Amino acid sequence: EDQVTQSPEALRLQEGESSSLNCSYTVSGLRGLFWYRQDPGKGPEFLFTLYSAGEEKEKERLKATLTKKESFLHITAPKPEDSATYLCAVQARGNEQLTFGSGTQLTVLP
Amino acid sequence: DSGVTQTPKHLITATGQRVTLRCSPRSGDLSVYWYQQSLDQGLQFLIQYYNGEERAKGNILERFSAQQFPDLHSELNLSSLELGDSALYFCASSSHRASSYNEQFFGPGTRLTVL
Repeated sequence: EDQVTQSPEALRLQEGESSSLNCSYTVSGLRGLFWYRQDPGKGPEFLFTLYSAGEEKEKERLKATLTKKESFLHITAPKPEDSATYLCAVQARGNEQLTFGSGTQLTVLP
Repeated sequence: DSGVTQTPKHLITATGQRVTLRCSPRSGDLSVYWYQQSLDQGLQFLIQYYNGEERAKGNILERFSAQQFPDLHSELNLSSLELGDSALYFCASSSHRASSYNEQFFGPGTRLTVL
């Protein structure tokens, strides 16, 4: 059974204080690893797809990396508007549905 | 805005009732996925349709069913509702185009409250 574990559950940062969110996964053949951002009461917003170990993707203050067992979402010099829940999900070979982790709730204080 | 639309935004009903949630995928997307998000379970995959046909099933209860119509919109039917069915229900769609076929784009969700 595919499993995704995200840590920490919650993270409070001061504006400008860089940090990383972790996503550990076990999957029977990784097809893709996805990062989403979710604001309260809204649908998940797609951020990145990573397909193979060593791959990196960047978007503004966010950078996602992938190894064979985990992915990191690095947040550089965050701003209050980066406050949200960040969700990690995996897609296994032969499947198209996503298995999600429980998310990291990020709060960036001004 | 992801391009995926869902109606209604909120739904309040009583136990034992039946409701229908509607989803329109992004233009050109053939696959529709339904997910349930509750506080204790997180986001859980329910069912997938591809071009009108059921493609994959997840943890969907027998009381729940879905279909995808020729215009590609989809409906999720929930019947004999229980208090525990209260949750956010999301629809997502994907294109299956070679450059981005794995990515799923989510709608704004329907919040279901069962009283």
